[in-house]
Amino acid sequence: SQTIHQWPATLVQPVGSPLSLECTVEGTSNPNLYWYRQAAGRGLQLLFYSVGIGQISSEVPQNLSASRPQDRQFILSSKKLLLSDSGFYLCAWSEQGAYGYTFGSGTRLTVV
Amino acid sequence: SQQGEEDPQALSIQEGENATMNCSYKTSINNLQWYRQNSGRGLVHLILIRSNEREKHSGRLRVTLDTSKKSSSLLITASRAADTASYFCATDLNSGTYKYIFGTGTRLKVLA
Repeated sequence: SQTIHQWPATLVQPVGSPLSLECTVEGTSNPNLYWYRQAAGRGLQLLFYSVGIGQISSEVPQNLSASRPQDRQFILSSKKLLLSDSGFYLCAWSEQGAYGYTFGSGTRLTVV
Repeated sequence: SQQGEEDPQALSIQEGENATMNCSYKTSINNLQWYRQNSGRGLVHLILIRSNEREKHSGRLRVTLDTSKKSSSLLITASRAADTASYFCATDLNSGTYKYIFGTGTRLKVLA
């Protein structure tokens, strides 16, 4: 069966520090991968999506970047965090050509 | 801007009552999905309805879709305390990219 792993669950980082959040999917190949951010009490904002290794589409200009070094690995990064980067980050995957996401458990990022 | 907007933003009902949430969207879609999010957790896929379908059932869930009004509703019958969560609709952009835009969510509280 397919599973998605996202870590860490919580993270407190100082302003100006780097960020690396990792997401991996097991039990499938060539998935579509997504990064969403959710501000407190709000809906989800699509940040990046990827349909294949090295293929990244950015939805919102921002202080973040994404990479897909392996088929089932999706990484969200920042060189220097801003206070406004705080939020709940969710990774998700879907099968190519299929509908519906499976979400990871999320990372609560607090930039202080 | 958000593709989907849920209404109401918050809903509080007694256990055993029915809960109805609505979602409106702006552009044509291939399908619409509903997700549930328990506090501080990832989202869980509940049900998908395609643009050529008008109603769909899954257990205590009933989803309707009116493409002429660009709206959908989620009905949870005989609600339970465990249904307490936020509910989001998500729509694709009919662009073939499998990107889903989420609404702002309805916070449902079921009182025991």
